[in-house]
Amino acid sequence: DGGITQSPKYLFRKEGQNVTLSCEQNLNHDAMYWYRQDPGQGLRLIYYSQIVNDFQKGDIAEGYSVSREKKESFPLTVTSAQKNPTAFYLCASRSGQRHQPQHFGDGTRLSIL
Amino acid sequence: KQEVTQIPAALSVPEGENLVLNCSFTDSAIYNLQWFRQDPGKGLTSLLLIQSSQREQTSGRLNASLDKSSGRSTLYIAASQPGDSATYLCAVNPSGNTPLVFGKGTRLSVIA
Repeated sequence: DGGITQSPKYLFRKEGQNVTLSCEQNLNHDAMYWYRQDPGQGLRLIYYSQIVNDFQKGDIAEGYSVSREKKESFPLTVTSAQKNPTAFYLCASRSGQRHQPQHFGDGTRLSIL
Repeated sequence: KQEVTQIPAALSVPEGENLVLNCSFTDSAIYNLQWFRQDPGKGLTSLLLIQSSQREQTSGRLNASLDKSSGRSTLYIAASQPGDSATYLCAVNPSGNTPLVFGKGTRLSVIA
């Protein structure tokens, strides 16, 4: 079955540590997205990529970095510069074809130790 | 800048009731609108997508309507069931290739 796989499901970060969240899709979608979800805040866009080797900052990119070396993969690194990383992180993808729905992974919950 | 609002933030109804969830957006120039469902601790599941040229879409007990001129969309759920309990989010696609703009969602509880 086609879909988006996020790993790990739960992740713990120590102070001063960088951590990387994995997102892999086998839907052959061109665009991929990273969102952060906090209680009562809704979804906030961190980074997105519409094509391999290219990506754009979203609304809250500070303290995060991404890469898009392969079409199917869009890892997110939460750096030590992100002072409040505790949140639920969601990866999504969407086809470049007209009027296609956006698909989401099951998320990674990141907490600080 | 496009803004999407969903009111109410939470809704509780008895099982079997028909209900309507509301979504409003500030800029009527949209490409399409999508409704999602999110269960606790899970990702979003796409329910319906309405193109800007369409007035409604239906899937089973769900019907979504779109009125671009008034900046509104509604999600109608017929004969609600406890399994419908979840958070429902709407998202506007402003122009095709751009990121979706999400509302904060309506948390629905259907009481048996």
